[in-house]
Amino acid sequence: DSGVTQTPKHLITATGQRVTLRCSPRSGDLSVYWYQQSLDQGLQFLIQYYNGEERAKGNILERFSAQQFPDLHSELNLSSLELGDSALYFCASSVGTVGGYTFGSGTRLTVV
Amino acid sequence: TQLLEQSPQFLSIQEGENLTVYCNSSSVFSSLQWYRQEPGEGPVLLVTVVTGGEVKKLKRLTFQFGDARKDSSLHITAAQPGDTGLYLCAGVHTGANSKLTFGKGITLSVRP
Repeated sequence: DSGVTQTPKHLITATGQRVTLRCSPRSGDLSVYWYQQSLDQGLQFLIQYYNGEERAKGNILERFSAQQFPDLHSELNLSSLELGDSALYFCASSVGTVGGYTFGSGTRLTVV
Repeated sequence: TQLLEQSPQFLSIQEGENLTVYCNSSSVFSSLQWYRQEPGEGPVLLVTVVTGGEVKKLKRLTFQFGDARKDSSLHITAAQPGDTGLYLCAGVHTGANSKLTFGKGITLSVRP
């Protein structure tokens, strides 16, 4: 157990639907990062939050949004889902804005 | 644009063999990290290198950061089946926040 908790572990949904992925960072970590992993693109950075504030954005689609709450857990919202959104979504956390990441076990999203 | 190139993409070797894999970029990184990922799990941090020319050892794994801080190598001595997995390098650009850019990874298979 890495200390980073992601739920759900698996999610199957239809095109056009909306889903919410949840992440609880490791105790004491203030930074949360979201990544998308697919076979052809590898790990792609989506967005970073630090202590509740958005810190950096990557290749995140407009249909996707995220937030970090006062208790530091984070949610990634994916809407108007397309087949191509099927992927593993990872959350990672770190103590500050430097240093290694601790990853969760991921959410496998399948859009049918 | 893939800023971090990892090679080879796939490697299958016999238990007991030595191997070296590479992570190359045209960009300078303030730090570089190596992770290992097993199927169904998130990446796990192995090492962080910060200083150009730095060498770090983790049991049978030796990591080196290039003098110009643009590349890195991972050498495994006497590989074991337990070393099987996806090896990812990730870099933090100089002057950026802690957002990590990942390579696509090297899939290593060690046959008993």
